[in-house]
Formats: sequence, structure tokens, C-alpha cells
Amino acid sequence: MQLVESGGDFVQPGGSLRLSCAASGFSVRSNYMTWVRQAPGKGLEWVSSIYTGGNSFYIDSVKGRFTTSRDDSKNTVHLHMDSLRPEDTAVYYCARELFMDVWGQGATVTV
Amino acid sequence: SYVLLQPPSVSVAPGETATITCGGDNVGGKSVHWHQHKPGQAPVLVMSYTTDRPSGIPDRFSGSGSANTATLTISRVEAGDEADYYCQVWDGSLNRLVVFGGGTKLTV
Repeated sequence: MQLVESGGDFVQPGGSLRLSCAASGFSVRSNYMTWVRQAPGKGLEWVSSIYTGGNSFYIDSVKGRFTTSRDDSKNTVHLHMDSLRPEDTAVYYCARELFMDVWGQGATVTV
Repeated sequence: SYVLLQPPSVSVAPGETATITCGGDNVGGKSVHWHQHKPGQAPVLVMSYTTDRPSGIPDRFSGSGSANTATLTISRVEAGDEADYYCQVWDGSLNRLVVFGGGTKLTV
């Protein structure tokens, strides 16, 4: 089982970015999928999770700006980030389930 | 909001036992998960549902929980165990679905 993130980049404040997380070895539609970030010098912070039914949940600081979605045909989850702020600068990890038994290697977002 | 408290750092000599605590209101009544994070690498789940050790994790790692404290214990500590360790819970009744502790830096 593996998760591979992509899409990390440098973006100006107020800009947008979409991260992708491609899964192999399991189906994303059969598992909860989670995004976690780590800002420079800080600890791990939960960002969002998407349930098998498609409902998504977010930390308060990104509500209304970030959207988590799933493409079952590509076995991929996405994190679409709008209105980016400097405090969103972090390495973003995707992980399987709400207890994160499989982690990706991370994608760096710099705002 | 729900808070998990961890000591910022723990230091042990090789071969000794490291104990990392995670404090939270009635955390013993929740399922606690522990993640090991080394610089530049993806985190790794080292303990799930408080006491379950995932496949591939050495039996030197063990977990426990009671009342307001969950504990990750690493016996016969090795240099390769040096990392940041995070406790974590998820609970649909919480305002924040998933909560991480602040992390503990284990120095060997």
C-alpha cells in the first residue's frame, strides 16, 4: 500500500493550489482519507478528512477555503486550497483512515 | 476544544526504557494512536487503538492507557528510535475530528 502526493509549489498569498494524493494497493473510496500538515518548526496538525460516503470535515482555520474531494476512477484524493495565507505554509501529508495507518511522503506548500 | 498534552522532550540512553505520556480528559476512554516522525521522512504509525502494534513494528514498542493518560513505552531503546512521537485521537463528537498531541522529541 502506498500514497504519493503531488502538486506542492510556491504560491503568492491569496492564490490557489491543488494537491493530489494517488493511492495504490487499496481503494480510496473504501477508506476514510485524511490530510495532515506540518508547518516549519511545528507539530503535526489535522487539516481535513473525507468519509467513504463523500462527506468532508475541516479544521476551523481552513473552512471555506479548502475543499477535499475524491476521484474514484483514478483512486486519488485532492485537496483544493483557495485564498492561501502565509500561515498555510507547510508540508502536507495525505494518510489513510482517521488513525493514519499509511502515510504519503508529503508535498511542500510555500505561501 | 479537546487537547492532548505531551512532554516536549524525553532523553534516554541506548538500552534503557523510554516512556512518553499523552494527557487528555478521559483519554483512557478513547482509542489513542501513536506516530513516529523522523526528519525528512513520512510519519509512521507505531501503535494503534492504544495497545495494538501494527505489522512490522518491533515488540519493543508497547502502549497503554488509563484515566487521563495514555503511554507509549519503548524498551531497549536504540539510536534508530530517535524521532518525534505524536499521540492522536479521533472522535466524531469532538469539535475537531482529529486531534494530535504537540509531539515529544525522543533523544537517544
